[in-house]
Amino acid sequence: EVYLVESGGGLVKPGGSLRLSCAASGLTFTNAWMTWVRQAPGKGLEWVGRIKSETAGGTIDYAAPVKGRFIISRDDSKNTLYLQMNSLKTEDTAVYYCLSSWDVWGQGTTVIVSS
Amino acid sequence: DIQMTQSPSSLSASVGDRVTITCRASQTISIYLNWYQQKPGKAPKLLIYDASSLQSGVPSRFSGSGSGTDFTLTISSLQPEDSATYYCQQSYSIPRTFGQGTKLQIK
Repeated sequence: EVYLVESGGGLVKPGGSLRLSCAASGLTFTNAWMTWVRQAPGKGLEWVGRIKSETAGGTIDYAAPVKGRFIISRDDSKNTLYLQMNSLKTEDTAVYYCLSSWDVWGQGTTVIVSS
Repeated sequence: DIQMTQSPSSLSASVGDRVTITCRASQTISIYLNWYQQKPGKAPKLLIYDASSLQSGVPSRFSGSGSGTDFTLTISSLQPEDSATYYCQQSYSIPRTFGQGTKLQIK
């Protein structure tokens, strides 16, 4: 069974940075295309971005609201996905989920951006 | 970007009712449409993929249909545990986009 465990969430001031991690097990991580989705409090789901496997070119795509501020990366030797979040805004406050496929989601980690 | 519009935004129905939620894409997405169920405090759960394929383990009372721009999720006989928010999402192009959600309550 596939497990995804996010970590690294917390409280950060506007303009600050935070790095989220997503540890994966039960899958061949090197072949996985990994995705980040977020959900602001009381709001709907928002796709953040995706990183393809290295064998598929490792291409990274971002949603417009985070492009230029967030960086998605992966360490296949550690079966871990990352989301480096810079220049954080209050509107980035959300639960952040990682996904290895549309049917496998982590439990989410909460990011609060507030002064 | 492809916009996904769900209707209704909320609805209330009784146990045993047939419930339909619709999702419209702003441009054609072929059959690349997923449906999710989300309960409070939980990650979304995939119900339907490729517009009409039932995800393994999902009760058969859930079904999906449509192609192009218009899609529906149907619950044939509503159960108490179906109280949740439902989202559609297109996997046709980047950025992937979700509908705004439909909150389903049991009367």
